[in-house]
Amino acid sequence: EPEVTQTPSHQVTQMGQEVILRCVPISNHLYFYWYRQILGQKVEFLVSFYNNEISEKSEIFDDQFSVERPDGSNFTLKIRSTKLEDSAMYFCASSERGGRTDTQYFGPGTRLTVL
Amino acid sequence: QKEVEQNSGPLSVPEGAIASLNCTYSDRGSQSFFWYRQYSGKSPELIMFIYSNGDKEDGRFTAQLNKASQYVSLLIRDSQPSDSATYLCAVVYNAGNMLTFGGGTRLMVKP
Repeated sequence: EPEVTQTPSHQVTQMGQEVILRCVPISNHLYFYWYRQILGQKVEFLVSFYNNEISEKSEIFDDQFSVERPDGSNFTLKIRSTKLEDSAMYFCASSERGGRTDTQYFGPGTRLTVL
Repeated sequence: QKEVEQNSGPLSVPEGAIASLNCTYSDRGSQSFFWYRQYSGKSPELIMFIYSNGDKEDGRFTAQLNKASQYVSLLIRDSQPSDSATYLCAVVYNAGNMLTFGGGTRLMVKP
């Protein structure tokens, strides 16, 4: 069964450093998402991406964050200058066609620890 | 502010019983409702979705939606210890396709 994959599974970085989290969405899916979950808190939406453009973003997704689809398979989230409060589990998700009735499938997540 | 509320639990049920999980949402423009299961340290895993008022059954799971009361629930029949997890309610509002999650209800099924 196709699945979303993410690398690395755990990333440790120093405050102020740049990190890139990588995702490979399900191959025939067209919509891609990033969510994060701070330990013990809700899963929060960051951004959605379609046709090489951001289609929606939350207030969390400020200028420190960017997304990119550098090739036909990868989808990346970059945090330019990490802060302690960026420590969280970051989930990539993908869906086939987007829209309110479409199902989003989540990857296993990358645990980001900012020291 | 669009909110999705769930009782954090834990909800404890004996093996074989019916577990009932509830979720309320704040915006009447909500269109789609999803139930995800999340084991500790893992990612959300889709259980089922519902769009229309009424009941929808999938195996041991039944989702119930009441848009007038802004309420969605998940029933798990014949609960098993392996069902022990946090159950997340997620809502898609009228515009866009982002999921807004509730805080989740922790379910414990005791053998």
